[in-house]
Amino acid sequence: TQLLEQSPQFLSIQEGENLTVYCNSSSVFSSLQWYRQEPGEGPVLLVTVVTGGEVKKLKRLTFQFGDARKDSSLHITAAQPGDTGLYLCAGGSGGSNYKLTFGKGTLLTVNP
Amino acid sequence: NAGVMQNPRHLVRRRGQEARLRCSPMKGHSHVYWYRQLPEEGLKFMVYLQKENIIDESGMPKERFSAEFPKEGPSILRIQQVVRGDSAAYFCASSPPGRGRETEAFFGQGTRLTVV
Repeated sequence: TQLLEQSPQFLSIQEGENLTVYCNSSSVFSSLQWYRQEPGEGPVLLVTVVTGGEVKKLKRLTFQFGDARKDSSLHITAAQPGDTGLYLCAGGSGGSNYKLTFGKGTLLTVNP
Repeated sequence: NAGVMQNPRHLVRRRGQEARLRCSPMKGHSHVYWYRQLPEEGLKFMVYLQKENIIDESGMPKERFSAEFPKEGPSILRIQQVVRGDSAAYFCASSPPGRGRETEAFFGQGTRLTVV
């Protein structure tokens, strides 16, 4: 059974601070997605990474896929209250790329 | 372009009743996936469907749960004889056709099922 461990589970910071959240596994994934989910809503896709070592930037968000494709990180620069939400990573593997394995998420709160 | 539409958003059922959850994929998407999110748990894959075909139902409970995606109309997730443990948020996602495009799945807002 593949597992994705996300850390930290909870993170509360002040506006303007930087932060990094992690997604780790002992399994190799062929693709990894990051989502943000707000209370009462569905997950919203932020990015997909597929190549080991790949780095993608989305405004103040930087996503990295580990060289061995077992881990990933999300770095947010100068966090804003609008970044508050549950950040989920999800991995797809091999021929079952559609069957995403989700972590439990990091709940981020950015205080003004 | 409307996103993935799920209805109802909230559903309350008494134990033993049937629950029907509907999902209309994004325009142009022919692949549908259902996930369940239990309290304090991550999203768990349930089933993958294409039009009129169940591709992978390895995440579906063996009894009481079924899913379909007919040629016309939305995908339906059906839970018969609901029990309290079925209370959860059920999410539908869709992706475009084409090999390798499963990673472009977009999620709906979910149906929150409460069994009383």
